[in-house]
Parts: sequence; C-alpha cells; structure tokens
Amino acid sequence: DTGVSQDPRHKITKRGQNVTFRCDPISEHNRLYWYRQTLGQGPEFLTYFQNEAQLEKSRLLSDRFSAERPKGSFSTLEIQRTEQGDSAMYLCASSLSGATGELFFGEGSRLTVL
Amino acid sequence: SQQGEEDPQALSIQEGENATMNCSYKTSINNLQWYRQNSGRGLVHLILIRSNEREKHSGRLRVTLDTSKKSSSLLITASRAADTASYFCVYMEYGNKLVFGAGTILRVKS
Repeated sequence: DTGVSQDPRHKITKRGQNVTFRCDPISEHNRLYWYRQTLGQGPEFLTYFQNEAQLEKSRLLSDRFSAERPKGSFSTLEIQRTEQGDSAMYLCASSLSGATGELFFGEGSRLTVL
Repeated sequence: SQQGEEDPQALSIQEGENATMNCSYKTSINNLQWYRQNSGRGLVHLILIRSNEREKHSGRLRVTLDTSKKSSSLLITASRAADTASYFCVYMEYGNKLVFGAGTILRVKS
C-alpha cells in the first residue's frame, strides 16, 4: 500500500494554458474524490467517482474543468484555459465503499496560474 | 456555502494545555469526521463519530456530537508542539458527499 499519489506536486502555468493533474488512489479503493483548497480555507468538493462512474459534480466545476477515471483506477483532472482564480491546491482522496467513508488523501497538486 | 462552520478560526495555546474546537453543520448526517492538515500537506484522518454516537475517544482526542444542535467538538488534551496544524470537521451528507468545515488553525507554543 503506497497511499494516494498525485502528480505533479507543483505546476506553474500561464493564463490560458491547459493543465492536467493525475491521481493514483489506493489500489483497492473504488471511490475517488477531487477537492480544491485555497489558502486559509477548507477543501471544497469538486467531484466524486465510484469506480469509473462520475456520480457527482459540484457547481464549482465549470465547463473548463473535466475529470475522468477511465478504468476505475487512476483519475485525471484537466483544467482548460486556466485563469488566475484557478490557482489553488487540488487534492485527491480515495476511500472504500461500504466502509465508514474515511478518506485517504494525497499530498495535493499546487497550481499557480500567472 | 457548502461548508460547515468551525470556531474558533484560530487558537493559540501553551504546550500541555487542552484545545477545544467546535464545528456546526447544516444537514442530516451519517457520520462526522475530524482531519488534521499540516501546513501545505495533505489531510490525515483523526477520528470518526457516527450519528447515533454522542462521544468517542482516541488517545488524547475526544469528540462529541450533538445531532439536535447539529454540532460537534474536538478536544485535544495535553497538547504538544507537534499538534500545531489546521483541524477540519468533515461530515457526510446523504449521497456520500463529504463536506469540509472552514477549519481551525491550532498553534501550540512550547
């Protein structure tokens, strides 16, 4: 069990560019969550997968954001035409359905949009 | 806002003192969890309390839950400098969506 890993850990990009983050959950976990966290705030829910199915999306997830989990294992979060307001820490977490809902978090991917 | 509310926003105490953080939420819940986040890092699960429980202990942690008031508290006893972190309550709305509070920043001075 290597835990939840996220890549890249840091990304600096120019406004208007596309960025993609990857999350590898704990192997036996079938639920995967994406959260966004800005400085001084708690994580805000973005989206959630059970296996490969995206079951819920936040209204925060504009049309520029898309998340996939094609084979029910790793997930990607893509942000198109980045804006300065997208600068944040993007956190991925996984859990096991049928359990208590305890989340196991990765270390996050920090995005800075210049 | 989708977030619950926590107070205080920040708490500064001396090593050895107890720290109490409170959380309020808005909906019916399955359970409520507390997480810790060290600066710039991921979050770590501390303790979970189910909606039919009123109090739970884990080491130096004590959590209470009052569903009639939609509130919870986290008590850390005999605090240590290593407890310095942000603490978040997280509740599960029906539908498996986990919602975070705004967090309490705890600083323990040695």
